[in-house]
Amino acid sequence: NAGVTQTPKFRILKIGQSMTLQCTQDMNHNYMYWYRQDPGMGLKLIYYSVGAGITDKGEVPNGYNVSRSTTEDFPLRLELAAPSQTSVYFCASSYWLAGGILYNEQFFGPGTRLTVL
Amino acid sequence: KQEVTQIPAALSVPEGENLVLNCSFTDSAIYNLQWFRQDPGKGLTSLLLIQSSQREQTSGRLNASLDKSSGRSTLYIAASQPGDSATYLCAVLTQGGSEKLVFGKGTKLTVNP
Repeated sequence: NAGVTQTPKFRILKIGQSMTLQCTQDMNHNYMYWYRQDPGMGLKLIYYSVGAGITDKGEVPNGYNVSRSTTEDFPLRLELAAPSQTSVYFCASSYWLAGGILYNEQFFGPGTRLTVL
Repeated sequence: KQEVTQIPAALSVPEGENLVLNCSFTDSAIYNLQWFRQDPGKGLTSLLLIQSSQREQTSGRLNASLDKSSGRSTLYIAASQPGDSATYLCAVLTQGGSEKLVFGKGTKLTVNP
């Protein structure tokens, strides 16, 4: 059981380039999330998904896109990278059981350190 | 809008000391509160999850309490060790149709040998 895995671990992009950050979980969690963490700013939610085919914006979605074609995978796409997107990106997942006992303990991946120059 | 504050931002203690980290939140309508640990350059490790109906949770030397009505939680670490040095983050899951965690900025703990 690997939990939440992310690739790549590090990446340097030039301004205007695009890339996809990969995230996979093997816990059969229905909810998945993308956060970015900037020094001294805490974690901010970019996008989240409540199940395959369903995604929604978080607090800071501009410049990013997501898709959720399977339960396991939740890739984050950066189009036209900008220096403001230099950050550490974390993927997380949780199991949400509404209407009964709530779990929703979030489990995080190791992160991707992205630098845009 | 939910806001989470952690005080102090940094804390340095000698090994063996018992310590308390504080977390406060502005909206008491929460599903749960989660404490995480983050080591430098690493991801977040979940330490304790307290549901809104619970008052505390314990795991080993860690004890987390929740006072929902006053919007406060504390993380108590007993007999601190240098290996406890890390940043501790508090996050709340707020009711109201938004299934999102709101994080504090963390407390950086240093335990000196």
